Amino acid sequence: DAGITQSPRYKITETGRQVTLMCHQTWSHSYMFWYRQDLGHGLRLIYYSAAADITDKGEVPDGYVVSRSKTENFPLTLESATRSQTSVYFCASKGQVNQPQHFGDGTRLSIL
Amino acid sequence: EDQVTQSPEALRLQEGESSSLNCSYTVSGLRGLFWYRQDPGKGPEFLFTLYSAGEEKEKERLKATLTKKESFLHITAPKPEDSATYLCAVQASAGYSTLTFGKGTMLLVSP
Repeated sequence: DAGITQSPRYKITETGRQVTLMCHQTWSHSYMFWYRQDLGHGLRLIYYSAAADITDKGEVPDGYVVSRSKTENFPLTLESATRSQTSVYFCASKGQVNQPQHFGDGTRLSIL
Repeated sequence: EDQVTQSPEALRLQEGESSSLNCSYTVSGLRGLFWYRQDPGKGPEFLFTLYSAGEEKEKERLKATLTKKESFLHITAPKPEDSATYLCAVQASAGYSTLTFGKGTMLLVSP
């Protein structure tokens, strides 16, 4: 029962580099979400997807790119990392509209 | 714009000392209100969903209630293992089923 897994758990990179955070779920859930969590802001939605090949912006999408070619994977790419993108990133998924979202354990990303 | 405000920001209780956490919300039509628990270094863990005013849900020492403007998470006779950050989120009727989260209440239960 793997559920939802994120990789890597920790990542340190430099400003200007591209970095991709991975999210994989084994439930065949339709919906997937990316959040960032920062002190003083709580969880903020970056991007979400209702199905393969369908993605949409959340509250804070600038500087991020997503794709969803397969139902089970939802990678998040920072094309040119900035220090303000230092954060803890959480991926979540759910099956139906009214069901709760289930979260992975996060990726802690530090950009130097 | 949907908004969620949680209070207090932090709460310290003695073991066995019951209390309540508050979640006030404004949303253009409520589809559901969700409570999560988050432990340090972990992702949020789902606790409850409430759909309409007057609804209550219980799980062990936790009971969640809902009115038209707020939700309460009542903690009865807490234990140290209940220490965590509790998050509240709302889902609006319109749109694509995204959640708006509050900033959370950090609960510490001392033995």
